[in-house]
Amino acid sequence: AQSVAQPEDQVNVAEGNPLTVKCTYSVSGNPYLFWYVQYPNRGLQFLLKYITGDNLVKGSYGFEAEFNKSQTSFHLKKPSALVSDSALYFCAVSPYGNNRLAFGKGNQVVVIP
Amino acid sequence: GAVVSQHPSWVICKSGTSVKIECRSLDFQATTMFWYRQFPKQSLMLMATSNEGSKATYEQGVEKDKFLINHASLTLSTLTVTSAHPEDSSFYICSAGRESGLEQFFGPGTRLTVL
Repeated sequence: AQSVAQPEDQVNVAEGNPLTVKCTYSVSGNPYLFWYVQYPNRGLQFLLKYITGDNLVKGSYGFEAEFNKSQTSFHLKKPSALVSDSALYFCAVSPYGNNRLAFGKGNQVVVIP
Repeated sequence: GAVVSQHPSWVICKSGTSVKIECRSLDFQATTMFWYRQFPKQSLMLMATSNEGSKATYEQGVEKDKFLINHASLTLSTLTVTSAHPEDSSFYICSAGRESGLEQFFGPGTRLTVL
């Protein structure tokens, strides 16, 4: 069975500081990994994905994520956080060849002005 | 591109009535559509996967007769919550996938409140 762990409930960071949102996964086979962001009462917006190739993936709004196979992690990062980055962030995994996504519980990011 | 809409955005209904939620891909053909349910401050739970012209595949524990899914075309899927009860109150989100890609594009969600 596939699963995703986002160990922290909330991440607080000062504006301008680096932001990291952690994600580890468990899936058989080669994983497809995704990050989505959700603003209040809205659907999810796609940020980035890892399928294959370079372990460092760059996405929307200055976010990037690094795939680490040995640690089964896919942490989301942003060098300098903005107040507008405050939202709910979801990591998701899909086994190879299967579009069904399993989501982590989400992390609330609060960027403090 | 890759815009997905949902209608209605919110609905309040009486217990025992049925509610239909529409999910449309506006600028692409969606080979597959997904329906999720999200409780407050919780993650998304996949309810079912639907492919155009075929029966939906429901996740374990999801009642097929209660949550009717129809995927009549490559741009429209509907979720009907039959004989709704207060415990069905939730945020329902659909997503659509393109044949050429692996990411899913999500609709804005529908807030259902059953009184």
